Amino acid sequence: DAEITQSPRHKITETGRQVTLACHQTWNHNNMFWYRQDLGHGLRLIHYSYGVQDTNKGEVSDGYSVSRSNTEDLPLTLESAASSQTSVYFCASSSDGFGNTIYFGEGSWLTVV
Amino acid sequence: DQQVKQNSPSLSVQEGRISILNCDYTNSMFDYFLWYKKYPAEGPTFLISISSIKDKNEDGRFTVFLNKSAKHLSLHIVPSQPGDSAVYFCAASASRGSARQLTFGSGTQLTVLP
Repeated sequence: DAEITQSPRHKITETGRQVTLACHQTWNHNNMFWYRQDLGHGLRLIHYSYGVQDTNKGEVSDGYSVSRSNTEDLPLTLESAASSQTSVYFCASSSDGFGNTIYFGEGSWLTVV
Repeated sequence: DQQVKQNSPSLSVQEGRISILNCDYTNSMFDYFLWYKKYPAEGPTFLISISSIKDKNEDGRFTVFLNKSAKHLSLHIVPSQPGDSAVYFCAASASRGSARQLTFGSGTQLTVLP
């Protein structure tokens, strides 16, 4: 079955360290997204990509970057981790077309100490 | 400024009764709306959607109603079951009926009591 996987599922890191969260999907979807979930805010969009070599900033992109070198992967990098980036991160993907939906990974729990 | 609002952080209902979850939006460009369900330690999963050209969509026990003039949508679950206990997120898209990018509400925790 096609799927979307995130790694690591749990990570603790120190302030100032660079951290990369991996996302891999096997649906061959053009569109990929990174969201973060925080209490009281729901899911907020960090970055998104509509295809290889395409990346765009979302609502809360400061301190994060992404790259899209192939269809399957969209890694999220925290350049210099801050305590405010302690959160649950969800990768997601979707195909194009009317009436479609976005499929989410199981989440990556990141704690910055 | 939240464009999608779920004003009830939590809701409790008895098993077998109706659950009604509400969502309001402010952006008139939204034309496609979805509901997601999320269990603890899992990713959100798609539940049901509705296009702005409709005012109702039904799928089994789940029905979504859209009132465009009031910029309001609701999710009805009938009958409610204990397994429905989860956080429900309302989401909206302005991508001409495609879920290319979603704006989410803050979620409502539904608890169905046996």
